[in-house]
Amino acid sequence: AQSVTQPDIHITVSEGASLELRCNYSYGATPYLFWYVQSPGQGLQLLLKYFSGDTLVQGIKGFEAEFKRSQSSFNLRKPSVHWSDAAEYFCAVGGAIQGAQKLVFGQGTRLTINP
Amino acid sequence: NAGVMQNPRHLVRRRGQEARLRCSPMKGHSHVYWYRQLPEEGLKFMVYLQKENIIDESGMPKERFSAEFPKEGPSILRIQQVVRGDSAAYFCASSPRDPHFTTLHFGNGTRLTVT
Repeated sequence: AQSVTQPDIHITVSEGASLELRCNYSYGATPYLFWYVQSPGQGLQLLLKYFSGDTLVQGIKGFEAEFKRSQSSFNLRKPSVHWSDAAEYFCAVGGAIQGAQKLVFGQGTRLTINP
Repeated sequence: NAGVMQNPRHLVRRRGQEARLRCSPMKGHSHVYWYRQLPEEGLKFMVYLQKENIIDESGMPKERFSAEFPKEGPSILRIQQVVRGDSAAYFCASSPRDPHFTTLHFGNGTRLTVT
């Protein structure tokens, strides 16, 4: 069965510090991988996605993620966070069989930024 | 260019009442998806519809829940005889075509509270 694990429920970092949010997935076929961000009371905004090709993916707002098949991971990184990055971050997996519409989401990581 | 529009943003219902959630996809999008986010959890797939067709409803509870996407008008998620466990954020997403190689655009959600 497909599953996504985000081990960190809540992370706090200082403004300007680097960030890494972890995501591990379980999927029996070629995965499509996504990171979404959700600000309070808002919908989900796509940060980046991986379908194939280069395993280091660049996204919006200065985020990047690296797909590591051997570790079944797709960690999200940002070299220097801004106060506006405070939000909830969701990793999701879809696949070639079911497509991107039937995504399986992790439970999310809440990011707090200290000034 | 309006995004995915959901209304109402907040909905309060007493136990036993009906809840109707509406979703207008982005212009030009013919595929609609409904996801549910329970408190402190990630989103979970409920149903995938095209105009006048339910494509995949494997995530829908078997009773009390139904969805439609008529030829004209928004998609409707209907919950009959609501119970407290239905309290959640319900997100709609849309895509322009078969989403195997595209990404979903999410609305801001409807937050249902059952009292």
